[in-house]
Amino acid sequence: NAGVTQTPKFRVLKTGQSMTLLCAQDMNHEYMYWYRQDPGMGLRLIHYSVGEGTTAKGEVPDGYNVSRLKKQNFLLGLESAAPSQTSVYFCASTLTGDTQYFGPGTRLTVL
Amino acid sequence: KQEVTQIPAALSVPEGENLVLNCSFTDSAIYNLQWFRQDPGKGLTSLLLIQSSQREQTSGRLNASLDKSSGRSTLYIAASQPGDSATYLCAAPLKAAGNKLTFGGGTRVLVKP
Repeated sequence: NAGVTQTPKFRVLKTGQSMTLLCAQDMNHEYMYWYRQDPGMGLRLIHYSVGEGTTAKGEVPDGYNVSRLKKQNFLLGLESAAPSQTSVYFCASTLTGDTQYFGPGTRLTVL
Repeated sequence: KQEVTQIPAALSVPEGENLVLNCSFTDSAIYNLQWFRQDPGKGLTSLLLIQSSQREQTSGRLNASLDKSSGRSTLYIAASQPGDSATYLCAAPLKAAGNKLTFGGGTRVLVKP
C-alpha cells in the first residue's frame, strides 16, 4: 500500500497561471479532503468529497475547484493562481469517516 | 462554528520528562477528538482518536483524555525522547459536520537530550 500520495511535491507558479494537484489513495477510501496549511492559520479545509462523483465546499473554497471522477483520485485545481494561494497543500482520506490518513503535502509558491 | 485552541504554542523539555499537551474546543457536540503528529516538512500522522463516547485512549507511551463538558483534551507522552520532537495537532470535528476536521494551531515540542 502506498497510502495517500500527492503530485507534485513542489511547484512554483506565476500569478494567473493554472495548475492541478493530484491526490491518489489505494486504500479504497470513500472520503477525501483537501487542506491548506499556512503559518499562523493552521490547517484549513478547502474542499472535500464523500464518494466518487461528489464534492463539497469546506472552509476556504474560493479560488479552487475539485473533481472526484474516480474513487481513488481527488484533484484540486487552481484556475488563476494568486500569491495568497502560496501554501502547503495536504490531501487526506478516510474509509469510515474516522481516522484520516494524510499525504506528504505539496508546497506551492505563487509569485 | 468550532474553534480549537492549543496552548502553549511551543514547549521545550529535557529528555525523560513527561509531556502534557492541551487542546480546548468551543463546541462539545463533537464527532470525535483526534491527535496528530507532524514532523518538519512532512504530512500528518494520526496518533490517537477518541470517540465522543469515550473518556480516554492509550497507545504505548501516549495517553489522551477527553472531557467534553469542559471542552478539553489532554495528550500525555510519558518519558519523552528526542524522537518525540515534532508538532502535535488536535482536531475536534462536529457531529453536524461529519468528519470535517477543525484543527488547533499545534504545539511545537522540542525534547532536549
